[in-house]
This record gives sequence, C-alpha cells and structure tokens, in this order.
Amino acid sequence: QKEVEQDPGPLSVPEGAIVSLNCTYSNSAFQYFMWYRQYSRKGPELLMYTYSSGNKEDGRFTAQVDKSSKYISLFIRDSQPSDSATYLCAMSADSSASKIIFGSGTRLSIRP
Amino acid sequence: GAGVSQSPRYKVTKRGQDVALRCDPISGHVSLYWYRQALGQGPEFLTYFNYEAQQDKSGLPNDRFSAERPEGSISTLTIQRTEQRDSAMYRCASSSGRSSYEQYFGPGTRLTVT
Repeated sequence: QKEVEQDPGPLSVPEGAIVSLNCTYSNSAFQYFMWYRQYSRKGPELLMYTYSSGNKEDGRFTAQVDKSSKYISLFIRDSQPSDSATYLCAMSADSSASKIIFGSGTRLSIRP
Repeated sequence: GAGVSQSPRYKVTKRGQDVALRCDPISGHVSLYWYRQALGQGPEFLTYFNYEAQQDKSGLPNDRFSAERPEGSISTLTIQRTEQRDSAMYRCASSSGRSSYEQYFGPGTRLTVT
C-alpha cells in the first residue's frame, strides 16, 4: 500500500463548477500538507500549504486537512479553463518538511 | 530571476553506460532535492542536500545512484551502469531553506535507456 493515495482521474468538469480533489494517507506522522499544480510538460509548482488539521483559503482555492480520518482535500471554486492541470497532493513528516511524499496526481480538465 | 535549470533536457544512453545529470538551483537557495517522476505519477523523492551536506539519501533506489553538491550550489546525480528501468524524468528542486515545503522545480531531464 502506498503512503499517499490519490485518484488519478481524469476529472472533467464545466467551467464555473466547484471541483473537489482528495487524497488519503496512511502515515500518522505526516503533519505538513501541500497541493502542487503541474501543467503539461512543466515541473510542479506549490499551490497551497497547510500545517496539521484545519482549513486554509486562498482566493478560489480551499485546502482542508482531517488528520483523524487521514484525508485531505482541495476545493476549487468558479473553476476556469486555466485550472486544467494535474494536481498533486504532498505530505511531510519532518519538522523541516524537507522530505516530501507526493501522491500520483489527479488530471483535471475544465471545459469552456 | 532565473529558475532552476537542468541539463541535459534529454538524454538517451545505452544500457550499461554511466550518466550524469546536472542541476543548477535558484541562486542563494540552501536546499536542493532530486526526484524521479514516472509518466502519470507524482515525483518520487531520491535525496536532498542542505548546502553541500547530503541530509537524506533514503530514496536512492540502489548503490548505482549517487549525488553530490560539492560547493553547495550545482548538484550532479550520477547513475552508473544504467538499466532500462532507470528510464524516467529526473527532476531537481530547490528551496530557500526557510520554508522547505515550497520547492521550486526545474524542467527535468528525460532519461531514456535503450
């Protein structure tokens, strides 16, 4: 079993829809949770970062962490075609968050 | 300013040959990371450095893989006696060290072993 599980998709939704992306994990030591976005043929780029449980909002994006269920989510409101990309959840157990374990990524397509 | 750069961008090599992949991090970034990314998968941690010190190499698959960062800037990932299963995208990332979760990734080196 992988430490981090993520539905690979692909997920296709119409423009303006709310998107929900999720990951589950097995290592209870994870305490830093991240979402990276990766456009085709590019490297991943950090989208959001959360420490421990709770919610964090940044514009149209909201990250949620439920450590009791070992479950994290990313919500995208008012989705745009430019949001079409692969979304990778990522986690770290060490205090410096240097060793990051990535999920396999969910491919998201927003239809105009 | 310039981002993370990697060279070569593409490398085709024959099985059994050694290859060296180079990473040039963002200027001033303390930490440097190496990942391997298979098609349709997320990056897989290989190793990381703070300055010139290799802090964690637990992700290196076997002793054919090694990495160095002798002057705390440019890093080289070396794969000896390459095998077909080594074919993948190798990505380098760097961070300022203040927030290691914010890693800036390079464009990657696509390695193909024939």
